Amino acid sequence: DVKVTQSSRYLVKRTGEKVFLECVQDMDHENMFWYRQDPGLGLRLIYFSYDVKMKEKGDIPEGYSVSREKKERFSLILESASTNQTSMYLCAAAQGGIYEQYFGPGTRLTVT
Amino acid sequence: AQSVAQPEDQVNVAEGNPLTVKCTYSVSGNPYLFWYVQYPNRGLQFLLKYITGDNLVKGSYGFEAEFNKSQTSFHLKKPSALVSDSALYFCAVSPFSGYALNFGKGTSLLVTP
Repeated sequence: DVKVTQSSRYLVKRTGEKVFLECVQDMDHENMFWYRQDPGLGLRLIYFSYDVKMKEKGDIPEGYSVSREKKERFSLILESASTNQTSMYLCAAAQGGIYEQYFGPGTRLTVT
Repeated sequence: AQSVAQPEDQVNVAEGNPLTVKCTYSVSGNPYLFWYVQYPNRGLQFLLKYITGDNLVKGSYGFEAEFNKSQTSFHLKKPSALVSDSALYFCAVSPFSGYALNFGKGTSLLVTP
């Protein structure tokens, strides 16, 4: 099975801080994704990457950036954290196209 | 635009009874449909998918889903619910030529003993 790990399960940051969320997958999958999950809103796509150094904006990219320097690692960056970015962040990896995505355990970020 | 709708925020069912979690979709072209489950404080786990072929898809943990093109639905079903099935369930659709999934808002399933 694909294993997707995220650097932190819980994170507390202050408003204005730069925040890095790291995601690593161990199955050489081409595609990686960052979602945020909020109650009543489901999962919303922030960014995804279909190859090293390639990225595409999702539905809610504002306030976020990403980095994929190596195939197995996909980082989400909050340039200047704000309280409305308090959320659960989920990383996923997929073989490509219409294959199912494998999710990490999530990082619950609180911005105070 | 590709989207799915889950009309029920919560579904309650007694253990041993059949369960259904509803999902309808809106796509242009052929739909690629998925169901995921999320247990408390965990990431999402893949249950099953419909790409093409047989309208009844079987997945993990005894779940199945029926693709109905005329009703644009992809309901998740299980013949006999377990208390351990209590979780949050998400339906998702993949665009025909894209990579990302569009998720529904989720349905909370509560199975009572």
